[in-house]
Amino acid sequence: AQKVTQAQTEISVVEKEDVTLDCVYETRDTTYYLFWYKQPPSGELVFLIRRNSFDEQNEISGRYSWNFQKSTSSFNFTITASQVVDSAVYFCALSENYGGSQGNLIFGKGTKLSVKP
Amino acid sequence: DVKVTQSSRYLVKRTGEKVFLECVQDMDHENMFWYRQDPGLGLRLIYFSYDVKMKEKGDIPEGYSVSREKKERFSLILESASTNQTSMYLCASSSAFRDRGPTEAFFGQGTRLTVV
Repeated sequence: AQKVTQAQTEISVVEKEDVTLDCVYETRDTTYYLFWYKQPPSGELVFLIRRNSFDEQNEISGRYSWNFQKSTSSFNFTITASQVVDSAVYFCALSENYGGSQGNLIFGKGTKLSVKP
Repeated sequence: DVKVTQSSRYLVKRTGEKVFLECVQDMDHENMFWYRQDPGLGLRLIYFSYDVKMKEKGDIPEGYSVSREKKERFSLILESASTNQTSMYLCASSSAFRDRGPTEAFFGQGTRLTVV
């Protein structure tokens, strides 16, 4: 069965600290896609990254970086030098690539990040 | 700027009412989705559509139906609203597969529905 687990319900850090949000997934397929979304207090989910199961290279985008490890079925997200504007709920999601799925996203329950000044 | 627009930000309805939540996207996307978001449960898929007049049940379709008469519009219908349908409803759209895989979904701002 497909499943995404974000074990950290809430994390609180002080500005400029680094923080890692964990994501562990389960899937029956060898081809799948992983996503991270940010949901600020305004409510709209904002897409951050899409990664397919064949690409295990880590990715960095500014202060954001992602570490994908198939061996541990994890796709962790790190924010370096956190800022107050990073405060949001972050969701990890999985989509399988097989007929009929049409890109449905299976979401984790989210991690609420609070960055204090 | 890509956009998914939900007709209402906040909605209050009475138990037993028929409720329509509307969603429009301007990106010519094939796929559209309705999710429900509840504290501690994350986002759960209610229904999705991959083409006009096509619909598929998600994980929690009971008590809901959908309509997609035009490519850009996807409506969620609560046939007879109940208090346990009080929730945040999120609409999303995505294009057909890219690189033989699903593409990222774009979300609307959400509709917070309260059923009293």
